[in-house]
Amino acid sequence: NAGVTQTPKFQVLKTGQSMTLQCAQDMNHEYMSWYRQDPGMGLRLIHYSVGAGITDQGEVPNGYNVSRSTTEDFPLRLLSAAPSQTSVYFCASSTRTSGRGYNEQFFGPGTRLTVL
Amino acid sequence: LAKTTQPISMDSYEGQEVNITCSHNNIATNDYITWYQQFPSQGPRFIIQGYKTKVTNEVASLFIPADRKSSTLSLPRVSLSDTAVYYCLVGTPEGYNKLIFGAGTRLAVHP
Repeated sequence: NAGVTQTPKFQVLKTGQSMTLQCAQDMNHEYMSWYRQDPGMGLRLIHYSVGAGITDQGEVPNGYNVSRSTTEDFPLRLLSAAPSQTSVYFCASSTRTSGRGYNEQFFGPGTRLTVL
Repeated sequence: LAKTTQPISMDSYEGQEVNITCSHNNIATNDYITWYQQFPSQGPRFIIQGYKTKVTNEVASLFIPADRKSSTLSLPRVSLSDTAVYYCLVGTPEGYNKLIFGAGTRLAVHP
């Protein structure tokens, strides 16, 4: 299994440009989520999905869109990039909670995005 | 939401045992405690999870006192490769989407 994969690894955008960060997992996990991590800080949840066709907002959703048409893929779209969106973006997946604790999240390697 | 407080940084030497304590005074009855590890330029990795008392796996131990208002991650005999940021998270299964990664504890292991 490849686990959670993310593309691209690095990206530089100009203010106002749009782009899509790709995330895929081959573990048949129901839950997927996107986080951003700014320097010296923890991760903040952007959007998440509990299954194909179901998405919801996290802590910092503004400026981002998501969709989940398949179990495997969960792309994150930046509508009009701003310098404040310069960050490292992580995608994660996990199985549905078993009801005794929440199952561990598996994280991708991250995408380092710079917006000029 | 249960907020957690951890030391910002810690230093240790190879071969020592490291204990990182996390404070979560307003932990709820259904909350579980989970620790993640993050190396530079990588995504976090699950280490251990517990509800009460002690949990041990091949990587670490997690000690949770009876009042559950704090927890301690114990790393036995650390090596240079344990240099990383360690995050303590508190939450319920139903609150998956509300897990908060704070700034974590930056552990530096020295030769």
